[in-house]
Amino acid sequence: QLQLQESGPGLVKPAETLSLTCSVSGVPIKSSDYYWGWIRQPPGKGLEWIGSIYNSGNTYYNPSLNSRVTISVDTSKNHVSLRLNSVTVADSAMYYCAYGGYRYGYGNWFDPWGQGILVTVSS
Amino acid sequence: DIQMTQSPSSLSASIGDRVTITCRASQSSCNYLNWYQQKPGRAPKLLIYAASSLQSGVPSRFSGSGSGTEFTLTISSLQPEDFATYYCQQSCATPLFGQGTKLEIK
Repeated sequence: QLQLQESGPGLVKPAETLSLTCSVSGVPIKSSDYYWGWIRQPPGKGLEWIGSIYNSGNTYYNPSLNSRVTISVDTSKNHVSLRLNSVTVADSAMYYCAYGGYRYGYGNWFDPWGQGILVTVSS
Repeated sequence: DIQMTQSPSSLSASIGDRVTITCRASQSSCNYLNWYQQKPGRAPKLLIYAASSLQSGVPSRFSGSGSGTEFTLTISSLQPEDFATYYCQQSCATPLFGQGTKLEIK
């Protein structure tokens, strides 16, 4: 059964780099036809896609965050990483990693999701 | 840029009610529209993909329809566990979520 678990510091100082890891169990992270995404949710607000990484190694980022975001995979550890540079208070949110499903003619989606990790940006 | 707008933003309903939530795209898009359910303190869960395909394990009282710019999620008979926030998400290009619809018990 596929499971995802986010980890990382819950508190980051302004202007520093947020680094999170999503540990994947139940499927090799480099399986073909799938991809991995990061999504965040500020407290009491809606969902915002951060970016995705595909089996090919291609990455796609939300244009509003593009210059600050890096998503990568470590196949030896079977995890997906997120780095967000130069954080501000506005980056405080619950951060989720998710497995990207795809079927030709049906598009793609995120399922399942990890339980999330709350990151607060504060000095 | 495409905008996804859900209506209503919040909704009160009773057990057994039929409920419909709408998601509108600001531009005509493909039918790659997904619906998620999120309960307080929990991660979102996929209900419907490609506008009308029911994800495995999701009760059949949930259904989706629509195309182009207007999509709907219908719950045919509300159950206590259905009170949650629902999000639409288009996946035609850059993934984009609607702002959410909070479904509360009346």
